[in-house]
Amino acid sequence: QKEVEQNSGPLSVPEGAIASLNCTYSDRGSQSFFWYRQYSGKSPELIMFIYSNGDKEDGRFTAQLNKASQYVSLLIRDSQPSDSATYLCAVADNYGQNFVFGPGTRLSVLP
Amino acid sequence: GAVVSQHPSRVICKSGTSVKIECRSLDFQATTMFWYRQFPKKSLMLMATSNEGSKATYEQGVEKDKFLINHASLTLSTLTVTSAQPEDSSFYICSAGTGGPNEKLFFGSGTQLSVL
Repeated sequence: QKEVEQNSGPLSVPEGAIASLNCTYSDRGSQSFFWYRQYSGKSPELIMFIYSNGDKEDGRFTAQLNKASQYVSLLIRDSQPSDSATYLCAVADNYGQNFVFGPGTRLSVLP
Repeated sequence: GAVVSQHPSRVICKSGTSVKIECRSLDFQATTMFWYRQFPKKSLMLMATSNEGSKATYEQGVEKDKFLINHASLTLSTLTVTSAQPEDSSFYICSAGTGGPNEKLFFGSGTQLSVL
């Protein structure tokens, strides 16, 4: 059974701080890694994807992947109250199949 | 990113009626679409995988006769909740994969179903 684990939170950070969200996965064959943001009452929105070890930056977001340790993280710099949402980690295999979602981490950015 | 359209966004119906939800990939073809349900403050729960031109694959515990899935074309999958009951009230979300080795999943906007 492939598993993706996340701390459910809530993770509370003050406005302007760095929010760090972590995710671990069980399947070593996983090749594609995604972060989705889901606002309350809305559907998930893809915000980052990463395929190679290391860091990938996009604006205030940085995804970090370490395949040897089987973890992927998302850093949000200069956190804003509008970043308050649930962040879902998703993992897929070599051909982008068999997406497995983590339970999500609820982030609260306090003004 | 790719666009997935889901309709309707909200449905209120009486017990015993059937409700159809449509999921369309607008700017790409999707051989595989997925249907989820989500209760308030809970995780996404995969219900079934919809395969174009073949029968859907249902997750354990999901009644295939209750939740009918049709994926008749590469851009459209439908979920029909048959004889809906109050316990079927939930947020239903579809997603579609872009295909290929770097496939990404994009989600529809979701359908809030309320069964009275």
